[in-house]
Amino acid sequence: ETGVTQTPRHLVMGMTNKKSLKCEQHLGHNAMYWYKQSAKKPLELMFVYSLEERVENNSVPSRFSPECPNSSHLFLHLHTLQPEDSALYLCASSQDGGASNEKLFFGSGTQLSVL
Amino acid sequence: LAKTTQPISMDSYEGQEVNITCSHNNIATNDYITWYQQFPSQGPRFIIQGYKTKVTNEVASLFIPADRKSSTLSLPRVSLSDTAVYYCLVGDRIYNQGGKLIFGQGTELSVKP
Repeated sequence: ETGVTQTPRHLVMGMTNKKSLKCEQHLGHNAMYWYKQSAKKPLELMFVYSLEERVENNSVPSRFSPECPNSSHLFLHLHTLQPEDSALYLCASSQDGGASNEKLFFGSGTQLSVL
Repeated sequence: LAKTTQPISMDSYEGQEVNITCSHNNIATNDYITWYQQFPSQGPRFIIQGYKTKVTNEVASLFIPADRKSSTLSLPRVSLSDTAVYYCLVGDRIYNQGGKLIFGQGTELSVKP
């Protein structure tokens, strides 16, 4: 148990659906992250929030929309996705996001399949 | 940010010591070296972190030579449950406007009976 909880664990959606991924951290951290991991590929950083403010957006398509209502919760809203968006979506948190020796704490991820 | 190079895969047997070496020739003064472990369909898990010399915890040891251009993760007496992908990350911040910590391909360790 890492202190970072993601729901749902698995999600299957059509290209016209709208769904949301949820992440909650119980560690008192100030920074939260969304990563994408496609099959047999490295993790890709998508979004970073520090103290509920988005500080990083790595050229992610607008069909992915993050939301951070408070420092403990992070959402990823999905709409009109493509089959190539099928991947493991991982949420992570860290103490502040900027220190040189910070550690990332990951959730178990949401395995997304887009049909 | 420092680029890392590590073997794509390694095989071992239960009870053996496994050493995974990561090269990071352009490591910067402020960079830390951090290793993560990832099981299939799960998020990576922090294993160990160091800046120089040797660091040991209940899971692994990390050896860093004086020039810091490489590091070696040592897993003592591995078991089947140590089969996973191991990532070496080098950097001074998880993210910043100039870049971010990169999770590369990692090393896929396979432990056999």
